[in-house]
Amino acid sequence: ETGVTQTPRHLVMGMTNKKSLKCEQHLGHNAMYWYKQSAKKPLELMFVYSLEERVENNSVPSRFSPECPNSSHLFLHLHTLQPEDSALYLCASSQESGITNEKLFFGSGTQLSVL
Amino acid sequence: GENVEQHPSTLSVQEGDSAVIKCTYSDSASNYFPWYKQELGKRPQLIIDIRSNVGEKKDQRIAVTLNKTAKHFSLHITETQPEDSAVYFCAASIVGGSARQLTFGSGTQLTVLP
Repeated sequence: ETGVTQTPRHLVMGMTNKKSLKCEQHLGHNAMYWYKQSAKKPLELMFVYSLEERVENNSVPSRFSPECPNSSHLFLHLHTLQPEDSALYLCASSQESGITNEKLFFGSGTQLSVL
Repeated sequence: GENVEQHPSTLSVQEGDSAVIKCTYSDSASNYFPWYKQELGKRPQLIIDIRSNVGEKKDQRIAVTLNKTAKHFSLHITETQPEDSAVYFCAASIVGGSARQLTFGSGTQLTVLP
């Protein structure tokens, strides 16, 4: 698959588990994002990596830990989550130029359920 | 910061009818307004966007209008088809800004009834 791919598509975990979400982009972009999508709520930006450096963290709880080893890969490490963390987690990428508005390219998401 | 409100949260229309989704924004500095479509189980995708130097933009059956004075913008879908059924998100940002500056609305679930 081309574009932005996310694995796994579905994940069920207990509150004491540790798991990781993976995202890979094949578009040559220089920025990657994690969004949280909950029902009836706006997309919430969690983390941004630009040129592999984390540039923004919107006060996300420390039980979510991002990792960006290179410009094509992005991880979200999860530990001791709460039931309210159940949501669709979307990865996205874009090409930041500082001149034009960058179009976001999304992955299909990981549907996370915390029991 | 910017706040984007979107209405309605759900919308059902008969196939062939028109659908209108409205968004309001709070920051008068915002001047870039994209719309994303997310079909069931699929990823959000950009379908159309508008900048504040124009009042309307069309692409086949979809159009977006912008009223900068009132700080609201709308998505219009004409001759709706079943494949238009999806969640639609509006967003606001600044021209030339980073995608990280996008503020999204809460989404509208559009259902086109056959």
